[in-house]
Amino acid sequence: QKEVEQDPGPLSVPEGAIVSLNCTYSNSAFQYFMWYRQYSRKGPELLMYTYSSGNKEDGRFTAQVDKSSKYISLFIRDSQPSDSATYLCAMRAGGSYIPTFGRGTSLIVHP
Amino acid sequence: DGGITQSPKYLFRKEGQNVTLSCEQNLNHDAMYWYRQDPGQGLRLIYYSQIVNDFQKGDIAEGYSVSREKKESFPLTVTSAQKNPTAFYLCASRQGRAGEKLFFGSGTQLSVL
Repeated sequence: QKEVEQDPGPLSVPEGAIVSLNCTYSNSAFQYFMWYRQYSRKGPELLMYTYSSGNKEDGRFTAQVDKSSKYISLFIRDSQPSDSATYLCAMRAGGSYIPTFGRGTSLIVHP
Repeated sequence: DGGITQSPKYLFRKEGQNVTLSCEQNLNHDAMYWYRQDPGQGLRLIYYSQIVNDFQKGDIAEGYSVSREKKESFPLTVTSAQKNPTAFYLCASRQGRAGEKLFFGSGTQLSVL
């Protein structure tokens, strides 16, 4: 079993839909949780960063962490065609400098 | 503009050849990373450097080598020992004392002729 599991998709939604992207993990030492967005053949860019459990909101994006279930989510409201990309979850333990990445979920938002 | 520059964008390797991928940053970051990305896969760590003249192997270091002689530069050599080098290679640097944010370059696509 991989430390971080993420469904690769693709996930196809109509413009304006609410999108839910998820990752599960097995390492209970993970404390820091990130979501990166990667456009085709580009480097990933950090979207959201959360520490421990709880919610964090930034514009149309909300990140949720449930440490008791070892489950993290990224919600995108009012999705746009420009949101079409691969979304990678990443997480690391406290004191570690190396995040572990999920496989990424390919999202397609069609007009 | 500050950022990470990877070159070349596309690279072709012949059988038995070593090739070097360039990674330069002007962000004044201490830590730098090399990742490999295969289609439909996540990022797998090849090498990591916390400071100049120091680096550690990642999960898939076999067939690769690095150097870190300058803070700004972290080149990756794909040696002939790497039998399946075709992949998208990403270089990153880290902001802050811990790995909360990685800045990535635009990547190099390496293919075998």
